[in-house]
Amino acid sequence: EVQLVESGGGLVQPGGSLRLSCAASGLPFSSDWMHWVRQVPGKGLVWVSRINSDGSIISYADSVKGRFTISRDNAKNTLYLQMNSLRVEDTAVYYCVRWSNFWGQGTLVTVSS
Amino acid sequence: QSAPAQPASVSGSPGQSITISCTGTSSDVGGYKYVSWFRQHPGKAPTLVIYDVSYRPAGISNRFSGSKSGNTASLTISGLQAEDEADYYCSSYTSSGTDVFGTGTTVTVL
Repeated sequence: EVQLVESGGGLVQPGGSLRLSCAASGLPFSSDWMHWVRQVPGKGLVWVSRINSDGSIISYADSVKGRFTISRDNAKNTLYLQMNSLRVEDTAVYYCVRWSNFWGQGTLVTVSS
Repeated sequence: QSAPAQPASVSGSPGQSITISCTGTSSDVGGYKYVSWFRQHPGKAPTLVIYDVSYRPAGISNRFSGSKSGNTASLTISGLQAEDEADYYCSSYTSSGTDVFGTGTTVTVL
């Protein structure tokens, strides 16, 4: 059974940092493109970032470029999202996605003072 | 990158067919075969229903079909059922090497 389990969400003040993790099991993690997608509760899906199988190809949405960093550790079957200089508008549920057919259940990030 | 436009809501009676449009540009929807559709029930993570414009993943009913013409992709749900009531999003690869989701459509079964 494929499982993607996100962790690392929580409450952080504006300007702060968080690192999200996504532990994968039941799929050939090291050969797959992985993405992060976010969603403000009650609003639409927003694509955040993608990384290829060996981490050599990375892209970001303009809204997070320069502040967020996606990475992966294939030995640990884990995807990461380092989020710095967080803003109130980054508040959302963050989903880890093995593009495009396997999604985690999401982790909530709340940026508030 | 602007989000491809979808109608805010679409409704139909059980057994009817409905179509959801996803209108982008030649830099996203119109330029690539990498258009996907996702269904999201309240409080749940999205699930894939169509990928690469018109392909169904294993386990997805053949009541779901996808197509594309120019800069507009479409998702058709035939034989509408109560369980189809959900939010639907298209997504597309873009010329910037990123992906973008559509604005989302709420499907209501009357």
